[in-house]
Formats: sequence, C-alpha cells, structure tokens
Amino acid sequence: GQNIDQPTEMTATEGAIVQINCTYQTSGFNGLFWYQQHAGEAPTFLSYNVLDGLEEKGRFSSFLSRSKGYSYLLLKELQMKDSASYLCAVRDSNYQLIWGAGTKLIIKP
Amino acid sequence: ETGVTQTPRHLVMGMTNKKSLKCEQHLGHNAMYWYKQSAKKPLELMFVYNFKEQTENNSVPSRFSPECPNSSHLFLHLHTLQPEDSALYLCASSQEAGSSYEQYFGPGTRLTVT
Repeated sequence: GQNIDQPTEMTATEGAIVQINCTYQTSGFNGLFWYQQHAGEAPTFLSYNVLDGLEEKGRFSSFLSRSKGYSYLLLKELQMKDSASYLCAVRDSNYQLIWGAGTKLIIKP
Repeated sequence: ETGVTQTPRHLVMGMTNKKSLKCEQHLGHNAMYWYKQSAKKPLELMFVYNFKEQTENNSVPSRFSPECPNSSHLFLHLHTLQPEDSALYLCASSQEAGSSYEQYFGPGTRLTVT
C-alpha cells in the first residue's frame, strides 16, 4: 500500500529552527508537496520538490531525497504565526496525491 | 474575490436531510476536487473533475453525489448521511488534473451529522 509518515505533533520556541520530517512509500514518484494549514482554514501551498536537493523560499526550505523516500521542511526564525499543521503529500505514478496526516507545530514564546 | 470559495462554512444536518455544498473557483483552473478531512487523518480524495468530466471516484458511498456544471463550479449533494460522515469537506482546484500543478484549497465546510 501507499503510505506517508510524519510526526503527529512538534513543539518549538519562537526564534528557533525546526525540521519536520516526511517519509513515503508510494507507487512511483512525481513530486512532493508541503502545505500549511492553520486551524479552521484552508491548506496553502508552501513548496514543491521533484528533484533531489534543497529548495529555499525565505524562512522555509524543503529537502528531498528520492532514493531514501524522505523529505523535510525546515522553518527558521520561528514566529508565533507559524503555529499550524504542516501537510506532506506525494504525487504517485498516476499523478494522484497521497497525503500524510499532518504535523501540528506548536510555537512557544 | 478570493481564489476558492465554499458555502456554507458550517452545516448541521440530520440523517434524513438533503443538503448541498457549493464550491466556486475564480482562478481559471480546469480541475476541481472534493476532499474529506477528519481529525488526525490524511486528506481523503473523494472526487476529481477535469474539464468538467469526472475522472476519479475513490469508492465514495452513493449518499455523496458530485455535480460539476462548468469548470468554475462544483457541488456536493448530500442525502441520508451517517454520523461518521461528520468532517471538514474541502474543495480544491488546479490548472489541470494529473499534472505537477499545485492545488488551491477553499476554507472548507464543517459538516456535523446528527
């Protein structure tokens, strides 16, 4: 079967750095997405990786290793507004998105 | 006008009621999606429409019936639902289904079945 694993919950301190991991086993691979979802709101697109390596976008970076079936989302200089759930999703060989259950990130002052 | 809108935002219905959820996208996209989001579970894809044609139906019970009259509008008709159908129903759109384009989500309808 197809599976995406990510931690259920993480806690970090304002101003610090946090890394949210995502491992996947899917039928083929056509890209990996990270989305942010604040409580009661729509998921919003953060990043897309299809080749190995690091993609940087301001305070957020996303890394992919296809051989290891592994990605991480790195958040720097954490702000209170970064408290949200972070969803990892992989597009399989049929171009269908397989979603993880999300990681709830709690930022403390 | 925000990209993807959904109405109503909250809905409480009995198991014998019939109701409809509405989604509208203002992004000029050609693909629209219905997802179910339950607490601590992955997003479940329900239906996909690409250029108004239904391309995916992920074994969804017949008490959920989608309708896509044009590329900008998507409905989810509900009838004789069960309490376990209570969840957040999200609509999304993308440039085209089966491609690398990201999906844009609406705020969702929080459905409670009593």
